Amino acid sequence: QKEVEQDPGPLSVPEGAIVSLNCTYSNSAFQYFMWYRQYSRKGPELLMYTYSSGNKEDGRFTAQVDKSSKYISLFIRDSQPSDSATYLCAMSGQGGSEKLVFGKGTKLTVNP
Amino acid sequence: ETGVTQTPRHLVMGMTNKKSLKCEQHLGHNAMYWYKQSAKKPLELMFVYNFKEQTENNSVPSRFSPECPNSSHLFLHLHTLQPEDSALYLCASSQAGFYNEQFFGPGTRLTVL
Repeated sequence: QKEVEQDPGPLSVPEGAIVSLNCTYSNSAFQYFMWYRQYSRKGPELLMYTYSSGNKEDGRFTAQVDKSSKYISLFIRDSQPSDSATYLCAMSGQGGSEKLVFGKGTKLTVNP
Repeated sequence: ETGVTQTPRHLVMGMTNKKSLKCEQHLGHNAMYWYKQSAKKPLELMFVYNFKEQTENNSVPSRFSPECPNSSHLFLHLHTLQPEDSALYLCASSQAGFYNEQFFGPGTRLTVL
């Protein structure tokens, strides 16, 4: 079993839709959960950062972590064409020096 | 320049060539990383440097040779590569010990013929 599983998509939605992106993981030691957004021909940029379980909201974006199910989600409300990108989940263990383990990324297209 | 910059953005090389990738960070960070991003695979961490010292080598073949002359610059020297080494090579930086908050450069798209 891979440490982090992420459906690569592609996912295509109409503008204004609510998008749900998900990752599952197997390592119960993971404590830090990140979502990166990567536009075509660019490097990943950190979008959301959550520690342990719970929700975190930032504008149209909400990150959820369910450690009991080893499942994390990123919700995008009122999706825009500018949200079209590949979304990568990443996670790491306790302590600031644990390396990040990434999912494969989900490619999202928001159609106007 | 701001953030993390990488040059060249695109590189085509033959299997017998020697080339180098350059990364520079303008964020005052003291940790730098090389990643490999291949199609349909997760990002693979290759090397980590903290305060110019290599602290991680993720079983990378010796045909990849990193160099970190100071906390702002990172190089990846390439020689006798294989076609399967074709990928996007990403550089990232962070404060030392803070793996979780990495800032990435735009990457170098490498093609090995």
